[in-house]
Amino acid sequence: DTEVTQTPKHLVMGMTNKKSLKCEQHMGHRAMYWYKQKAKKPPELMFVYSYEKLSINESVPSRFSPECPNSSLLNLHLHALQPEDSALYLCASSRGQGADEQYFGPGTRLTVT
Amino acid sequence: GQNIDQPTEMTATEGAIVQINCTYQTSGFNGLFWYQQHAGEAPTFLSYNVLDGLEEKGRFSSFLSRSKGYSYLLLKELQMKDSASYLCAVSLSGGYQKVTFGTGTKLQVIP
Repeated sequence: DTEVTQTPKHLVMGMTNKKSLKCEQHMGHRAMYWYKQKAKKPPELMFVYSYEKLSINESVPSRFSPECPNSSLLNLHLHALQPEDSALYLCASSRGQGADEQYFGPGTRLTVT
Repeated sequence: GQNIDQPTEMTATEGAIVQINCTYQTSGFNGLFWYQQHAGEAPTFLSYNVLDGLEEKGRFSSFLSRSKGYSYLLLKELQMKDSASYLCAVSLSGGYQKVTFGTGTKLQVIP
C-alpha cells in the first residue's frame, strides 16, 4: 500500500468555523508533512512531524494547528481562517530516514468564505 | 533566503526530447528532487540526485551539478500524458525533511 489518503476532498468553511483535515498512511513512514498550494504555485511547507513529534513549523499562523495522534495519522485543525487561506492542502509522508521521496495525498481543496 | 528558479512554461512536440532546467541558491543543500504534478492532482516523485552527474530512469533522466547550483530533467520520447508541471525541490541541510520547491515548469506536449 503506497497510498496517502486525505479527507475531505473538498471543504467550504466560514471564517468563524472550526474544522479539521485528516491524513492517513499505512506505509510505516515516520515523517509526515502538511503543505499549502495556491493555484499555479508550488507547494509551500507548513509543518513536519518526525516520529510523531513536531520538528518543523514554518512560521505558520496559529489559526492552523497540527496534530499527530499516532504514526499513521496527521490532522490539521483549522479555526478562524481568512479567505486568503483558501488553497489546496497537501499531506505527504516519507520514511523519515534522511532525505527521502515524499508520497503525497490527493489533497483537500479548502475554500474559506 | 532560498531561491529556486525554473522556466515558467515550455512547449514540446510528441516524440521529441525536452530539457527542463532548475537553478538554485540555497542556504545548505542535501540533494535535489524532481516531481511531476498533473493539473488538480498531487505531485509524484520522479528522481532524487545527491551526487553530481546524470541518473537515468527509463524515459526520464536527471542531472545535477552541485558546484554550479544547477539541475535539469530530461524527458525523452515525449508522450501527450507528459503534459504536466515539473517541480524541482531542494532538500536543505539541517533538517533532511525540509524540502523547498521551485516555481515549477508547466510543460505542454503538442501533437
